[in-house]
Amino acid sequence: AQSVTQLGSHVSVSEGALVLLRCNYSSSVPPYLFWYVQYPNQGLQLLLKYTTGATLVKGINGFEAEFKKSETSFHLTKPSAHMSDAAEYFCAVSDLSHSGSARQLTFGSGTQLTVLP
Amino acid sequence: NAGVTQTPKFQVLKTGQSMTLQCAQDMNHNSMYWYRQDPGMGLRLIYYSASEGTTDKGEVPNGYNVSRLNKREFSLRLESAAPSQTSVYFCASSEGVNTGELFFGEGSRLTVL
Repeated sequence: AQSVTQLGSHVSVSEGALVLLRCNYSSSVPPYLFWYVQYPNQGLQLLLKYTTGATLVKGINGFEAEFKKSETSFHLTKPSAHMSDAAEYFCAVSDLSHSGSARQLTFGSGTQLTVLP
Repeated sequence: NAGVTQTPKFQVLKTGQSMTLQCAQDMNHNSMYWYRQDPGMGLRLIYYSASEGTTDKGEVPNGYNVSRLNKREFSLRLESAAPSQTSVYFCASSEGVNTGELFFGEGSRLTVL
């Protein structure tokens, strides 16, 4: 069974500072990995994803994440935080269903990012 | 382009009442999903439908039923609502097994008194 652990349910950074949100996963097979963002009272939208190939992936709004197989990690970073980055961020791992007919996403518990002026 | 549309957005029920959450997608996706979101627990999969005509249980299916009405629509039914089902429900869709990317609706906030 796959699982996702997000370290830190709340992270605060100053505007212009580095953003680092941590995600570790467990999966019995090479995973697909995702970061989603949720703004208040909205659904989740995809920030970035890793499926195969280059382990450093770039997403929207200046975010990027690096897949490190040896550390089973997929941490999310952004060099310089902006006030508009304040939201909740979810890491997710995807695996095939038992029938192989669909992909199921397992989500972490989320990290609330606060950006201080 | 609407994407994934959920109705209703808000609902208050009394314990024991029934209701159906509706979801429709206009992206011609094969797979559809229902998740619930509770504080500190992320999103948990209730049911999913890999393709039209099929449904499967997810992590937390008890107390729910689903219907994949056609390729576009996937409904979630609570037959006898309980306070433990107070949550925000999200419908999502994906193209299929090769992408894994889910597209989400804006959510339906359900309160059971």
